[in-house]
Amino acid sequence: AQRVTQPEKLLSVFKGAPVELKCNYSYSGSPELFWYVQYSRQRLQLLLRHISRESIKGFTADLNKGETSFHLKKPFAQEEDSAMYYCAATQGGSEKLVFGKGTKLTVNP
Amino acid sequence: NAGVMQNPRHLVRRRGQEARLRCSPMKGHSHVYWYRQLPEEGLKFMVYLQKENIIDESGMPKERFSAEFPKEGPSILRIQQVVRGDSAAYFCASSPTPGATQYFGPGTRLLVL
Repeated sequence: AQRVTQPEKLLSVFKGAPVELKCNYSYSGSPELFWYVQYSRQRLQLLLRHISRESIKGFTADLNKGETSFHLKKPFAQEEDSAMYYCAATQGGSEKLVFGKGTKLTVNP
Repeated sequence: NAGVMQNPRHLVRRRGQEARLRCSPMKGHSHVYWYRQLPEEGLKFMVYLQKENIIDESGMPKERFSAEFPKEGPSILRIQQVVRGDSAAYFCASSPTPGATQYFGPGTRLLVL
């Protein structure tokens, strides 16, 4: 079955430290991967998708097909990065997004 | 552009009642998606609709749940004879075309007493 796994429910770092939020997927073929973010009291919004290869708010994510991973990274975390982060995937022309359970990132001052 | 609108934001129902959740997509978007989020879980796909058509309902429970997206007006997710297990956050998303970014609404939090 198609599955997206985020192994860390909670992640806490200090301001200025590097941060990596892990995401693994189990899909055959070539899925499309996404990171969504939900800041406090705001709606879910797209942070980045792997096909665009953009860097948004200093975050990057590389698709590693060998390890079936799509980890989200930022070299220097900021307090405003504190939020819930969801990894998601689609495949094969399907519009259905499959989400991980999310990781709550807290960046401490 | 006001973004995807959902109403009500909070809905309380007693067991056996009906719940109707509404979603107005972003202007120019004709594709609507519904997701459900149970406590401590990620969002789970329910149904994908285009105007007047259900495209993919593979995530919809077989009974009591239905969805529509009429030619005029919002998309409606309808839950008949609600049970406590239906308590969840229901999110709607919309996109202008298939494969485009899905933009999410604020969600409707359903509580079944």
